[in-house]
Amino acid sequence: QKEVEQDPGPLSVPEGAIVSLNCTYSNSAFQYFMWYRQYSRKGPELLMYTYSSGNKEDGRFTAQVDKSSKYISLFIRDSQPSDSATYLCAMVTGGTSYGKLTFGQGTILTVHP
Amino acid sequence: GAVVSQHPSWVICKSGTSVKIECRSLDFQATTMFWYRQFPKQSLMLMATSNEGSKATYEQGVEKDKFLINHASLTLSTLTVTSAHPEDSSFYICSGPSGGGQFFGPGTRLTVL
Repeated sequence: QKEVEQDPGPLSVPEGAIVSLNCTYSNSAFQYFMWYRQYSRKGPELLMYTYSSGNKEDGRFTAQVDKSSKYISLFIRDSQPSDSATYLCAMVTGGTSYGKLTFGQGTILTVHP
Repeated sequence: GAVVSQHPSWVICKSGTSVKIECRSLDFQATTMFWYRQFPKQSLMLMATSNEGSKATYEQGVEKDKFLINHASLTLSTLTVTSAHPEDSSFYICSGPSGGGQFFGPGTRLTVL
């Protein structure tokens, strides 16, 4: 079993939809969570980071962490065609971002006009 | 967010030659940087942790004599692929931690003929 599981999709939604992206993990030592967006042939772009259970909002993005269930989510509101990309969850053991990232497999999202 | 650059963005080389990839943190100092490899349609796989002023730490299965890492300063880490072969063709990406997140470079596409 992989330490981090992420549904690879692909996920296709109409413009304006709410998108839900999810990851589960098995290692309870993961304490720091990040979401990245990666366009084809580009480096990942950091969208959100959090270390607390609960919700964190930034513009159209909301990151949700449930440590008791070992489950994290990223919600995208009012999705746009420019959001079409691969979304990666990543986790770090310990309480800071200064450690090795373990990635999910990535979810391919397409937002069609 | 913090900015990381990589050079070159794309390199083609002949089998048996060596290739050096540079990773620079442009607006932060990094005592630690990370090197990843990504094959098409796959997630990022950590290769090694680059430590300023000391030896790199390699992940299991990564040949340290083949992938030479030098972290010469707080803003520069280099990865040298020695005696490259076609199976080394991949997308190489570096990252550095700053503030609350880890920030990735744009990646280097290596093609070995």
